[in-house]
Amino acid sequence: ETGVTQSPTHLIKTRGQQVTLRCSSQSGHNTVSWYQQALGQGPQFIFQYYREEENGRGNFPPRFSGLQFPNYSSELNVNALELDDSALYLCASSSGTSGVRQETQYFGPGTRLLVL
Amino acid sequence: AQSVAQPEDQVNVAEGNPLTVKCTYSVSGNPYLFWYVQYPNRGLQFLLKYITGDNLVKGSYGFEAEFNKSQTSFHLKKPSALVSDSALYFCAVTYTGTASKLTFGTGTRLQVTL
Repeated sequence: ETGVTQSPTHLIKTRGQQVTLRCSSQSGHNTVSWYQQALGQGPQFIFQYYREEENGRGNFPPRFSGLQFPNYSSELNVNALELDDSALYLCASSSGTSGVRQETQYFGPGTRLLVL
Repeated sequence: AQSVAQPEDQVNVAEGNPLTVKCTYSVSGNPYLFWYVQYPNRGLQFLLKYITGDNLVKGSYGFEAEFNKSQTSFHLKKPSALVSDSALYFCAVTYTGTASKLTFGTGTRLQVTL
């Protein structure tokens, strides 16, 4: 196990609602990245946080937002949920300073979100 | 832009035989390449990575991968497959200037049978 934890494990929401997913990074890691994995697909990068600041964003709309806290834990918020938001949401933590591109990202078990 | 291709949706291997899972990539700069494995209802587990140096990288559980710059490939290999290796394998790439954004392939399902 990596030491990266995510909550909740499963979640069911209806279209238009808002959801918050949580991630606790591995001890000593200051960077958190979020990925969306749709069924049968590889994970897609949503965004990354380094020392509480957004440090890169993928091709996701602004209704996907995040936070990183002083203890380096993180939240992913999704507003106005759509059916296509149904997916496994993965959090990954890594160490090192911004600009160090080769640090290994260690993934949590994910939160499976179903939007009805 | 960066991209990863895993040309095989599934690879079938008999236990004890060698296995290869293929991956090719495209990036603008020097690539950093990773392999992850995903078991059912689990997150991704890191297997190995190539950053620089020796083209043959050794990782967890007896897996290794060979970086080939001319063919832009990073194939995952294991000399002797186990039934417990059956899982979904993802190749990923990043490079300088991408905020450690990993771009993943679509995954290859490895099925090892007795």
